[in-house]
Amino acid sequence: GENVEQHPSTLSVQEGDSAVIKCTYSDSASNYFPWYKQELGKRPQLIIDIRSNVGEKKDQRIAVTLNKTAKHFSLHITETQPEDSAVYFCAANEAGGSYIPTFGRGTSLIVHP
Amino acid sequence: DAGVTQSPTHLIKTRGQQVTLRCSPKSGHDTVSWYQQALGQGPQFIFQYYEEEERQRGNFPDRFSGHQFPNYSSELNVNALLLGDSALYLCASSWGQANTEAFFGQGTRLTVV
Repeated sequence: GENVEQHPSTLSVQEGDSAVIKCTYSDSASNYFPWYKQELGKRPQLIIDIRSNVGEKKDQRIAVTLNKTAKHFSLHITETQPEDSAVYFCAANEAGGSYIPTFGRGTSLIVHP
Repeated sequence: DAGVTQSPTHLIKTRGQQVTLRCSPKSGHDTVSWYQQALGQGPQFIFQYYEEEERQRGNFPDRFSGHQFPNYSSELNVNALLLGDSALYLCASSWGQANTEAFFGQGTRLTVV
C-alpha cells in the first residue's frame, strides 16, 4: 500500500517568512495529492490539492509543487500570518475511483507574530 | 447545507465496553469513510462504505465494524474497547463515483479509561 512521509514534524517561523513542508510517497499509481489544515480541536480542511498531470498549483499565498519522477510534493506558504498556525497534513490518493487518501503524520506550523 | 455531522462530540467509555459513533454525510454525498486520529498523528483509514457495503478496509481488527443506511448515514462500532482505542474518530464523506475530495466532520473524541 501507499506510504507517505512528511517533514518536518514541527516548523517555527516569524510572521512574514515563508514556510515549506515536504512529503514523499511510495506508490507511483497515486495521482491526487491534497493538503489539509487542522486547527486545534477542529476538523481537517482541504486547503489545496494537485493532480498528477500538473506540476504546480497556486492559490494566493499557498502553492503546491509535485515531482512525479522523484515521488515528492511540497506545500509552500508565503508571507505567513499567525492564523496560519495549525497542523498541516499531506496525503496521497491512488487512482481508481475510491477516495481513500493515505495521510502523512503532520507538520505543526507555528507562526510567531 | 449542514456539511458532515458526527455524534456524539465527546465520549468516555470503560475498557471492555462497546461504543457506537454516528455520521451524517454532506448533502449529495453517498460515500462515508471513517478514520482514527491518535494524538499527534495523521488520520488512519479504518474503512469506507458505499451503497451500504464496506468497500475497502484499512489495517484495523474485526472489533471495528460499521454500517451504512439507505440515507447514506453511517455508524462505526467498536467492541471490547482497549485503552489504545482512545482517539479522535473522523468521518469523511465524498461522492463515490469520482476521485474527488472528502469533507470531514468535526469528529468524536473517544476516551477509554
